[in-house]
Amino acid sequence: AQTVTQSQPEMSVQEAETVTLSCTYDTSESDYYLFWYKQPPSRQMILVIRQEAYKQQNATENRFSVNFQKAAKSFSLKISDSQLGDAAMYFCAYRRRQSGAGSYQLTFGKGTKLSVIP
Amino acid sequence: NAGVTQTPKFQVLKTGQSMTLQCAQDMNHEYMSWYRQDPGMGLRLIHYSVGAGITDQGEVPNGYNVSRSTTEDFPLRLLSAAPSQTSVYFCASSSHGLLKGYGYTFGSGTRLTVV
Repeated sequence: AQTVTQSQPEMSVQEAETVTLSCTYDTSESDYYLFWYKQPPSRQMILVIRQEAYKQQNATENRFSVNFQKAAKSFSLKISDSQLGDAAMYFCAYRRRQSGAGSYQLTFGKGTKLSVIP
Repeated sequence: NAGVTQTPKFQVLKTGQSMTLQCAQDMNHEYMSWYRQDPGMGLRLIHYSVGAGITDQGEVPNGYNVSRSTTEDFPLRLLSAAPSQTSVYFCASSSHGLLKGYGYTFGSGTRLTVV
């Protein structure tokens, strides 16, 4: 079974600074997808960024980028120029790429609560 | 507004009561699912459906039933509520772009308390 570990329950960052959230995962699959979701106090789950394991290039979305290290099974999220609106819980998630039983399931980490200090 | 709509947003139940959490999407998504979120646990899959008439169990299915009679609706039924089912419940959907790794669209969640 796949597991996703977020080792930082809480993080804080000064406004306009850069912060990196860590995520590691364990899988025997070679092909899969990785996601970062943001959950603000409104409780809404918002997709921030996704990475395809078969692509070596790290995904970027504006101020958000990932450092994907497949061999190390690491998938960290970097937030640049942090803004007050970035304060939220962030979840790392994994999904296998192959179709079949269990392929639709997102496996989530326990989350990292990010605070942004004005 | 297009998206996933969950009702109710909040609910308090007594132990042993039954209820149905509603989920509807207007994006013609084939795939729909229910997750529960507990403090310090992330989100865990309860049940999912890959199309009308097709459902399957996820990681934590006990105590819950689902059915999918239409593409749009995917209700979650609690048969006999227990305090252990106190949680926040999320419905999520996706098109078959899911197989290409596209993300899910989540509803805004239902906070359920069982006393």
